[in-house]
Amino acid sequence: DAGVTQSPTHLIKTRGQQVTLRCSPKSGHDTVSWYQQALGQGPQFIFQYYEEEERQRGNFPDRFSGHQFPNYSSELNVNALLLGDSALYLCASSWGGSDQYFGPGTRLTVT
Amino acid sequence: QKEVEQNSGPLSVPEGAIASLNCTYSDRGSQSFFWYRQYSGKSPELIMSIYSNGDKEDGRFTAQLNKASQYVSLLIRDSQPSDSATYLCAAEPIYNQGGKLIFGQGTELSVKP
Repeated sequence: DAGVTQSPTHLIKTRGQQVTLRCSPKSGHDTVSWYQQALGQGPQFIFQYYEEEERQRGNFPDRFSGHQFPNYSSELNVNALLLGDSALYLCASSWGGSDQYFGPGTRLTVT
Repeated sequence: QKEVEQNSGPLSVPEGAIASLNCTYSDRGSQSFFWYRQYSGKSPELIMSIYSNGDKEDGRFTAQLNKASQYVSLLIRDSQPSDSATYLCAAEPIYNQGGKLIFGQGTELSVKP
C-alpha cells in the first residue's frame, strides 16, 4: 500500500521565479492538505483540497495556489518566490474526516 | 497567544524512563488532537489521535486529554534512544471534518542510553 508521495524531493529556485510541487495521496484517500514548515517550527496550514475544490485556506497570500485532479493528486504552485518561502512543504492526505498522513515533503530553497 | 503551545525543550530522559510531553491550546472549540513524531530531516509521522477526555493507550504511548483545562499530553513509557525526535502536538478546530491542523512548535526529546 503506497503512502503519500511528493515530488520533487529538493528544489532550488531564484527569487521571483515560480514553482510547482506535486503530491499523490495515500491509496483510498480523497483529501489533500498542504503545509509549510520553516526550520524549527511546526507545520503551518496552507490550504486543503477536496473534490477538486479548495475547501479551507490558511493565512497565506494569493501567490500560493493549488489544484486537485480527478485522481485526487494535487499541485501546489507558488508565484513570485521570496526568500522567506524557503521551507519544507508537506502534503498530507486523509479520507473524509479521518487522520492526516504526511508525505516525505519537498525542501524548497529560494536564493 | 499562540493557538497551540509546547515547550521547545530539549527534554532529556534516560533510557527506560517515562517521557512526558505537554501541550496546551487556546481554542475551546477544538475537538480533535493529534501527536506526530518528526525525526530530524524527515516528515511528521502520526502517533496518536484523541478526541474524548481521558486516556488513550497504544503500546508504549498514552495520550491524555483534558478539555476543561485545554491540555493534551503524551506519555512514552520505557523510552528508547530511537524515540529521540521532535514531537508535534496538533489541534483540529472543527470536529471530524478533516480540516486544518494547528501545530505547536514541537518538543525535542532526547533519550540517553
